[in-house]
Amino acid sequence: DAGVIQSPRHEVTEMGQEVTLRCKPISGHNSLFWYRQTMMRGLELLIYFNNNVPIDDSGMPEDRFSAKMPNASFSTLKIQPSEPRDSAVYFCASSRLRQPQHFGDGTRLSIL
Amino acid sequence: QKEVEQNSGPLSVPEGAIASLNCTYSDRGSQSFFWYRQYSGKSPELIMSIYSNGDQEDGRFTAQLNKASQYVSLLIRDSQPSDSATYLCAASYNNNDMRFGAGTRLTVKP
Repeated sequence: DAGVIQSPRHEVTEMGQEVTLRCKPISGHNSLFWYRQTMMRGLELLIYFNNNVPIDDSGMPEDRFSAKMPNASFSTLKIQPSEPRDSAVYFCASSRLRQPQHFGDGTRLSIL
Repeated sequence: QKEVEQNSGPLSVPEGAIASLNCTYSDRGSQSFFWYRQYSGKSPELIMSIYSNGDQEDGRFTAQLNKASQYVSLLIRDSQPSDSATYLCAASYNNNDMRFGAGTRLTVKP
């Protein structure tokens, strides 16, 4: 079975540009999570969805960040405008409701 | 503030020894606990789940939970160099919202 699929794997862009990260959860999983990982702050939950509905976005750092899940097989995390301090590895994870989460390979984002 | 605390390490053990990793959590409402292993440059990988007090064993791994002390641990028996990684403890407060500790870096020396 395919795991959680994230794209792109790497993104390098200049500050001020819009960044869009994409995630395809494991088929049949109805919860989806976006995390950010940095050396300083570790792994932080940004937002999660149950059945395509955002449940908790309290971890989203600023209004520059937004996430959508238009259907059960696709989610995006957007940063607009991007800033150097947004540089991190962004992980998407999915699970069946109340089951352990499975992570994608992550997107390594560098904002110059 | 919900928090999961881990000793960041690094923890170094010789090959064949038992590695003991510890984690405490602050919210008594936590119901589910997980250990993830993360190799450098890779994503976290689930290795153990534990939901009730006591021990949960899977091969060389044993997870221990003590809800009264708000304490979770992971024991790795017969440690191998391939176990060298960062181990993340996570607690789920509502069976969905999972909070991670900062991770403990383990090095197993041949």
